[in-house]
Amino acid sequence: GQQLNQSPQSMFIQEGEDVSMNCTSSSIFNTWLWYKQDPGEGPVLLIALYKAGELTSNGRLTAQFGITRKDSFLNISASIPSDVGIYFCAGPPVQGAQKLVFGQGTRLTINP
Amino acid sequence: NAGVTQTPKFRILKIGQSMTLQCTQDMNHNYMYWYRQDPGMGLKLIYYSVGAGITDKGEVPNGYNVSRSTTEDFPLRLELAAPSQTSVYFCASRTATAEQYFGPGTRLTVT
Repeated sequence: GQQLNQSPQSMFIQEGEDVSMNCTSSSIFNTWLWYKQDPGEGPVLLIALYKAGELTSNGRLTAQFGITRKDSFLNISASIPSDVGIYFCAGPPVQGAQKLVFGQGTRLTINP
Repeated sequence: NAGVTQTPKFRILKIGQSMTLQCTQDMNHNYMYWYRQDPGMGLKLIYYSVGAGITDKGEVPNGYNVSRSTTEDFPLRLELAAPSQTSVYFCASRTATAEQYFGPGTRLTVT
């Protein structure tokens, strides 16, 4: 089935550093979603993107909908310990849009 | 709004037992979903529903059943529990613009 390729798979950074991760697809998406999952918790929606080129912020988080509609990017500025977790990209494919396709996740670890 | 709620939070089953995982949403969403997440892995879709009375299989439906008699509730039934069904189960509901909102999960162990 369709997959989203998310990179990097894991990141080890120092507190205060900026973080960048991305998600790519072989086919176009009309919506990109970014989620964060803390250990033992359900995924929480961080940012939703609906238009190619769109840039949306949520506090220290900024996400962009790539202009080719085949990729999306998430940046976290000035990381803090509570940013630790797994970040997933997701989107409804154009075919079969009732369901979401998920990336494999980026595991973020922060050294204080 | 409470959002998506799931009960129970934890459950231990013996092999061959059955149980129902409950999911309720108060956002009037038509679309609802059941996922399972094994340790260190991503989410796998079990079943989904596009509205009351309509359900469809996801990628891993074997061993599970669902029903959707109301917009709010989407219970997941396990018959004859097996160790392979040990997992964390998440329910979600979806807005008209495809945003899915997840419940807190049910952690199930089958021994």
